[in-house]
Amino acid sequence: GNSVTQMEGPVTLSEEAFLTINCTYTATGYPSLFWYVQYPGEGLQLLLKATKADDKGSNKGFEATYRKETTSFHLEKGSVQVSDSAVYFCASSGAGSYQLTFGKGTKLSVIP
Amino acid sequence: NAGVTQTPKFRVLKTGQSMTLLCAQDMNHEYMYWYRQDPGMGLRLIHYSVGEGTTAKGEVPDGYNVSRLKKQNFLLGLESAAPSQTSVYFCASSDRAANTEAFFGQGTRLTVV
Repeated sequence: GNSVTQMEGPVTLSEEAFLTINCTYTATGYPSLFWYVQYPGEGLQLLLKATKADDKGSNKGFEATYRKETTSFHLEKGSVQVSDSAVYFCASSGAGSYQLTFGKGTKLSVIP
Repeated sequence: NAGVTQTPKFRVLKTGQSMTLLCAQDMNHEYMYWYRQDPGMGLRLIHYSVGEGTTAKGEVPDGYNVSRLKKQNFLLGLESAAPSQTSVYFCASSDRAANTEAFFGQGTRLTVV
């Protein structure tokens, strides 16, 4: 079955630091890949997605590139803000499937 | 535009009690899901539905039942609550098309004592 592995947290960064959260996946076929963000006390919301190899998803300064050769979808941001403090989840959907498989989540704290 | 609405938001149950969590979506989505979120475990799929009147088991279905009598509603039932079911429960919905995003509710925090 599908699986998603993302780096363990928590991650603590100073404001304006560079962020990378690693995510790798295993799947049959060519899944779509997603990053979801969960702010404190809220549900998950989509941050960005990529549906095929070499696609780059981007939103709010965050980026991730679908790398088929390394089965990865690492999340990056050049300069984090305090408001980026949240839990980030990497997820994949099976090829042609509507079900999402989530990683365990990475908690990010950004300090001023 | 409400999106996905879950009720209640918080609940405390005694072991052995039963309850139903309600999820409603107003986006005319075909697919609906129930997840539980536990520390260090991420989100795990309990049950899901691909359309009105249909349900299927996910990764961790034991101790839960679901019903989808109307397209917009997806109910999650606990017949006899156990402390191991203490968790945060999220409902989500998505369109029929593959590779589309799922929309999540705000969650229900359930404590079983």
